[in-house]
Amino acid sequence: EPEVTQTPSHQVTQMGQEVILRCVPISNHLYFYWYRQILGQKVEFLVSFYNNEISEKSEIFDDQFSVERPDGSNFTLKIRSTKLEDSAMYFCASRDPRGAWGETQYFGPGTRLLVL
Amino acid sequence: SQQGEEDPQALSIQEGENATMNCSYKTSINNLQWYRQNSGRGLVHLILIRSNEREKHSGRLRVTLDTSKKSSSLLITASRAADTASYFCATVVDRGSTLGRLYFGRGTQLTVWP
Repeated sequence: EPEVTQTPSHQVTQMGQEVILRCVPISNHLYFYWYRQILGQKVEFLVSFYNNEISEKSEIFDDQFSVERPDGSNFTLKIRSTKLEDSAMYFCASRDPRGAWGETQYFGPGTRLLVL
Repeated sequence: SQQGEEDPQALSIQEGENATMNCSYKTSINNLQWYRQNSGRGLVHLILIRSNEREKHSGRLRVTLDTSKKSSSLLITASRAADTASYFCATVVDRGSTLGRLYFGRGTQLTVWP
């Protein structure tokens, strides 16, 4: 069964450093998302992306964040200058709006980011 | 905020018993989805119920939706130790989002003892 994959599974970085989190969505999906979950808290929406454009972003997704689909398969989240409070699990999700399961978002296993 | 809120926060039962988790939300929704998360792992989609539906079944899962009370319940029948996980409800707000962003609750931690 196709699945969303994410790399790396864990990333440790120093405050102020740039990190890039990578995702490979399910191949025929059209909508892409990033969410994050700070330890012990709820999963929060960051951004949605379609047709090479950001569709919607939350108040968390400030100028330090950016997303890109550099080729036909990868979807990346970049944090330009990490802060301690960026430590969280970051989830990528994708969705194919066509067909019977069009409303379901499929999540990857997550990247656990620790900022020191 | 729109986010669903699950109740209870934690539930501990014996194998074979049924587990019921509730979710409440605040604004009109397009659909409501339940996800499972094993400790420190990814989110697995369980079931989706649309705003015009009242009940859905999938294997040992039964979901109900009461839009008048803005609440949903997830019932897991004949629970197994492997059902131990956190369960989250997530809503898609009606007309609130182009690509249907999900609003998650804090989750219910279910522990099933063998």
